[in-house]
Parts: sequence; C-alpha cells; structure tokens
Amino acid sequence: AQSVTQLGSHVSVSEGALVLLRCNYSSSVPPYLFWYVQYPNQGLQLLLKYTSAATLVKGINGFEAEFKKSETSFHLTKPSAHMSDAAEYFCAVRGGGFKTIFGAGTRLFVKA
Amino acid sequence: NAGVTQTPKFQVLKTGQSMTLQCAQDMNHEYMSWYRQDPGMGLRLIHYSVGAGITDQGEVPNGYNVSRSTTEDFPLRLLSAAPSQTSVYFCASRNSGQRSSYEQYFGPGTRLTVT
Repeated sequence: AQSVTQLGSHVSVSEGALVLLRCNYSSSVPPYLFWYVQYPNQGLQLLLKYTSAATLVKGINGFEAEFKKSETSFHLTKPSAHMSDAAEYFCAVRGGGFKTIFGAGTRLFVKA
Repeated sequence: NAGVTQTPKFQVLKTGQSMTLQCAQDMNHEYMSWYRQDPGMGLRLIHYSVGAGITDQGEVPNGYNVSRSTTEDFPLRLLSAAPSQTSVYFCASRNSGQRSSYEQYFGPGTRLTVT
C-alpha cells in the first residue's frame, strides 16, 4: 500500500532563508510523487511532480525537489524564502487504482 | 478554460438537511474525485469516478452520494447533514489515459458548516 508522511505540521523560516519541507513515502510500485501548494482560501495547485525521469525536479516559484529512492524521500526546497511562499504544502503519491494519497500537510510561515 | 468550478463557495446547513455540492470541469477529464479537508488530516477521498456512469467509494464515503451522468459534472450529495460533515470540500479532475501523470486539477473549494 502507498502512504505519505510529512515531517512537521508547521515550519517557520525567515525571509531569505532556506525552505526545507520533508516528505517520505511508501510505495509498492514505481512512485509518481507530487508537491501541491494551497494558498489561504484557495484550492490546491501543482508545484512539481516526479514521474520517473530526472531525480531533481524543478517546479514553479523557485521550488525544487529531489527523489531519493534509497531514502524513500521527496523533500521540497527553495534557496530563499519569500513572504509570498507562506502557504500549506502537501506531498502526494500515486496510489493503487486511480487514487492519489496525500500527506497531512505542512504549513509554512515566513517571518519578515 | 475555466478549469474546475465548484458551487457554492460557502454553505451553512442545519443538522438533517440535505444539499448538493456542484462540480464541473471543462478539460474533458475522465477521472473526477471529491475530497474533504480537515485540519491536520490532509485530504481524504470521499468518492471518485473514472468516467460517465462509473463511480466508486473512497476512504470516507459514509453520508455522501455521487453520480456521474456526463463527463463534465460530478455532484456530491449530502443526504442528511451532520456536524461531523463540517469541512472544506474540494473537487478535482485529471486525465486517465496511459500517459497520465496523475496530476490533479482542483476547484476552489466549498466551505460547509453544519450546525
């Protein structure tokens, strides 16, 4: 069965600091992995996805994530946080059948 | 393209009332799904559909019904609202062909409060 664990329900960084949001997954099939972002009072939108091509995936707004099979991880990073990055971030994995399994989410706070 | 649209944006119901949350997409996606979002629990799948006339249960289907008469529309019905159904509801769609990357497109959500 597939599952996703996001480490840390809340992460706080200063503006200009490195953003690191952690995600570990479990999958019995070659994984498709995703990071979605949710801004306040909005739906989710795709930040980036891994579908078995390059292990370092670049997304929108300067975010990137690295697929590490040996560590079953897909951590999301951004070199320099901006106030506009404050949002909730969800890691997700392709599940069995037609489903997508979502993590519980990590809320990112950015301090001025 | 409007993408995925949901109505209403907000709704307050009394316990026992019924209502339908509307969802429509204009991307000709075969796969559509309903999720509920509750604090600290991520998104939980309620029901999903892989095409017109085909629906199936997700993780938390109790108290909800769906139907899929067209490719575009996927309404979610609350049969008899309960306070435990207070949540934010998201509809999503994606294509489901062999080349699908499983990327989902989400609507803006419906905030439902049951008193």
